[in-house]
Amino acid sequence: DGGITQSPKYLFRKEGQNVTLSCEQNLNHDAMYWYRQDPGQGLRLIYYSQIVNDFQKGDIAEGYSVSREKKESFPLTVTSAQKNPTAFYLCASSPGYRVKNTEAFFGQGTRLTVV
Amino acid sequence: DAKTTQPNSMESNEEEPVHLPCNHSTISGTDYIHWYRQLPSQGPEYVIHGLTSNVNNRMASLAIAEDRKSSTLILHRATLRDAAVYYCILRSGWGTASKLTFGTGTRLQVTL
Repeated sequence: DGGITQSPKYLFRKEGQNVTLSCEQNLNHDAMYWYRQDPGQGLRLIYYSQIVNDFQKGDIAEGYSVSREKKESFPLTVTSAQKNPTAFYLCASSPGYRVKNTEAFFGQGTRLTVV
Repeated sequence: DAKTTQPNSMESNEEEPVHLPCNHSTISGTDYIHWYRQLPSQGPEYVIHGLTSNVNNRMASLAIAEDRKSSTLILHRATLRDAAVYYCILRSGWGTASKLTFGTGTRLQVTL
């Protein structure tokens, strides 16, 4: 089935460690996005990518890094520089920047807990 | 970037219509209005989108004001499964700057 997959669903890490969250899509979408959601809050954009080998900072990029080496993959690394990394992370994809009137598809999220 | 404003929460009785408002007074002429909803501990799902004309699909209707500074998502008969946080967002920008920026969301409670 086509879709967007995030793994793992739950992730625990010790403070000071970098951790990479996986996001894969088989929808042949050009655009991919990473969001962070804190309890009771809305979604905040971390990074987004409209094409392979290109990405842009969102509203809260500090302490995060991404890569887009392949069209279907957009991993997010939460670095030790991120002061409050515990959150629910959501990945999304959409057909591309040339087409604005299309929907975005979201993964089921990764809940990261840093202890 | 154009921003949206929504009420924090709304309540509805089951099987009654629900009108969820969204203000986007700084919308640009090329911005599309999208609605998504999110159930607890899940990723958001697409509901509907539009540019200028009112839109209908199997899930909902979208009414867009003539000046495009506001819109309303209409659920014709709310069910318990419609209880979720509803986000109104604008698809902004062109080229590689295009992104999805979420508003505050409205938490819809549906009661029997």
